[in-house]
Amino acid sequence: DVKVTQSSRYLVKRTGEKVFLECVQDMDHENMFWYRQDPGLGLRLIYFSYDVKMKEKGDIPEGYSVSREKKERFSLILESASTNQTSMYLCASEGGQIEGKLFFGSGTQLSVL
Amino acid sequence: QKEVEQNSGPLSVPEGAIASLNCTYSDRGSQSFFWYRQYSGKSPELIMSIYSNGDKEDGRFTAQLNKASQYVSLLIRDSQPSDSATYLCAVTHNNAGNMLTFGGGTRLMVKP
Repeated sequence: DVKVTQSSRYLVKRTGEKVFLECVQDMDHENMFWYRQDPGLGLRLIYFSYDVKMKEKGDIPEGYSVSREKKERFSLILESASTNQTSMYLCASEGGQIEGKLFFGSGTQLSVL
Repeated sequence: QKEVEQNSGPLSVPEGAIASLNCTYSDRGSQSFFWYRQYSGKSPELIMSIYSNGDKEDGRFTAQLNKASQYVSLLIRDSQPSDSATYLCAVTHNNAGNMLTFGGGTRLMVKP
């Protein structure tokens, strides 16, 4: 089975801090994604990457950046955390035979105080 | 703005009934359609995909697609309490690579 591992399940940070969310997948998938999930809003795409060192903006990239130095690792960076970035962050990878089949990590619940 | 709309629910059905979940999308360029299930406190998992008009059946699940009406639905036959979850509709677009746009999800409650 594909395993997508997110480094933290819960994270509490202060306003203005720089925050790193790490994601690692073990199936050699090319495509990786970062979503945030808020009640009633579903999953909204922040950034995605289809190759090492490649990145594309999603629907809500403002306030975020990403890094993909190795194929298996995709990091989400909050340059200066704000309270409106309090959310559940989900990393996903895509590959294999079924287009659109995303494998999600267990999520990181980030609280910015 | 590509939009995917779902009724947030909750949709409550008795055990053994058919649950009908609906989704509409705004972009006529949408190519592929997916249903994800998300249990409370868990991550979404793919349960159905559909690419052409008509019905696609997989066990107790049937996905229905009508591109002319920009409508996709998921039917769950013989609903079980274990089907209680939030169901997320997602679509891809032919000019956006592999980007999936998700709806807000419909919460389904199956009562014993």
